[in-house]
Amino acid sequence: DTEVTQTPKHLVMGMTNKKSLKCEQHMGHRAMYWYKQKAKKPPELMFVYSYEKLSINESVPSRFSPECPNSSLLNLHLHALQPEDSALYLCASSLKGGFFGNTIYFGEGSWLTVV
Amino acid sequence: GQQVMQIPQYQHVQEGEDFTTYCNSSTTLSNIQWYKQRPGGHPVFLIQLVKSGEVKKQKRLTFQFGEAKKNSSLHITATQTTDVGTYFCAGITLTNAGGTSYGKLTFGQGTILTVHP
Repeated sequence: DTEVTQTPKHLVMGMTNKKSLKCEQHMGHRAMYWYKQKAKKPPELMFVYSYEKLSINESVPSRFSPECPNSSLLNLHLHALQPEDSALYLCASSLKGGFFGNTIYFGEGSWLTVV
Repeated sequence: GQQVMQIPQYQHVQEGEDFTTYCNSSTTLSNIQWYKQRPGGHPVFLIQLVKSGEVKKQKRLTFQFGEAKKNSSLHITATQTTDVGTYFCAGITLTNAGGTSYGKLTFGQGTILTVHP
């Protein structure tokens, strides 16, 4: 069982809607990530938070807005999305920032459909 | 930018046959990680290789990291139906962001393994 919990598991939203994806971990990890995965493709990094500060933004459009309220929570706010943004959104965490020597734990993901 | 190429894209085997997937990087990697993603599931971390020429085993799975740290392989001996899924390698290279050095994880395209009973 994953120790990274994501909600909702499925989300259908219109292009004018505002919604949020939520992620929670209680492993004491200080790095949290958002990935986007299209069908039959590898995960693509979107954002990295290290010690609750945004460390990496992989040139993600501003219609995706991440937020890290505390060390256990990570949100992804969605606004004015396009149908091509439909994908599996994966949250992940690791013990500390950077990828060296850190096991990365993925959540089960949130399946997003934009109509 | 840094690329990680993974082959084959698909592999169909009979149960009991062996399976190998290969990754090649355009640049020297600091580390390489391997993940398994079951159909409809999320990526699950399998292992990380750090040292040049490193070989690690997990039961029927053997992972290798090349001497030049630019390639890696995953070999499964005597596949079982439970091995079905997509296997991703993910190479780690150093990158700078805001004056701080970070490891950046770049996934290969994955190999989709199907096992026929």
